[in-house]
Amino acid sequence: SQQGEEDPQALSIQEGENATMNCSYKTSINNLQWYRQNSGRGLVHLILIRSNEREKHSGRLRVTLDTSKKSSSLLITASRAADTASYFCATWNSGGSNYKLTFGKGTLLTVNP
Amino acid sequence: GAVVSQHPSWVICKSGTSVKIECRSLDFQATTMFWYRQFPKQSLMLMATSNEGSKATYEQGVEKDKFLINHASLTLSTLTVTSAHPEDSSFYICSASRGRGEKLFFGSGTQLSVL
Repeated sequence: SQQGEEDPQALSIQEGENATMNCSYKTSINNLQWYRQNSGRGLVHLILIRSNEREKHSGRLRVTLDTSKKSSSLLITASRAADTASYFCATWNSGGSNYKLTFGKGTLLTVNP
Repeated sequence: GAVVSQHPSWVICKSGTSVKIECRSLDFQATTMFWYRQFPKQSLMLMATSNEGSKATYEQGVEKDKFLINHASLTLSTLTVTSAHPEDSSFYICSASRGRGEKLFFGSGTQLSVL
């Protein structure tokens, strides 16, 4: 089952606007990660935020983490057409002896030029 | 950043044949690799965790005899889809991590189409 649940499922904006995606998770975490996937390609790691961090920045990306609400948000500022992709949050979960990264359902972001 | 290479990028095969997909970590040793499956417009579904030198750990509902995983070295894991059928058509992605609990590096994926 998916640990993370993103919303919205799809988001369409104009170039230059900001895009905000949210993620909720269910269990305790050590860190939460965001990944990007262009259509038909593998995933690329964007940013990792640890459970003792509340906010993290990387270029035009801003990630927040609220462990009390078990939620995170990814903000992309001044969006570009090249930001069009699917964005997933992911958390590590242990199932018995197996430690695995579980992905949310993702948000499909479309940035219109 | 670390590079994970996955081959082939796409494959078309006849029903009943077997297909092997390779996943290599090019610049680091990966004791653990992960194999995911993805259907169009859906998220990644973990199929199995590949452990170097030992048996893979399969997720519930994934047939281990259908999806054979071999992790013979610290830089190579292979997924073999045996006796492929049209319902096995999907996008398969491998990934590896430098360490437990850290970020994953992904291959570029393999689009499998079974006719």
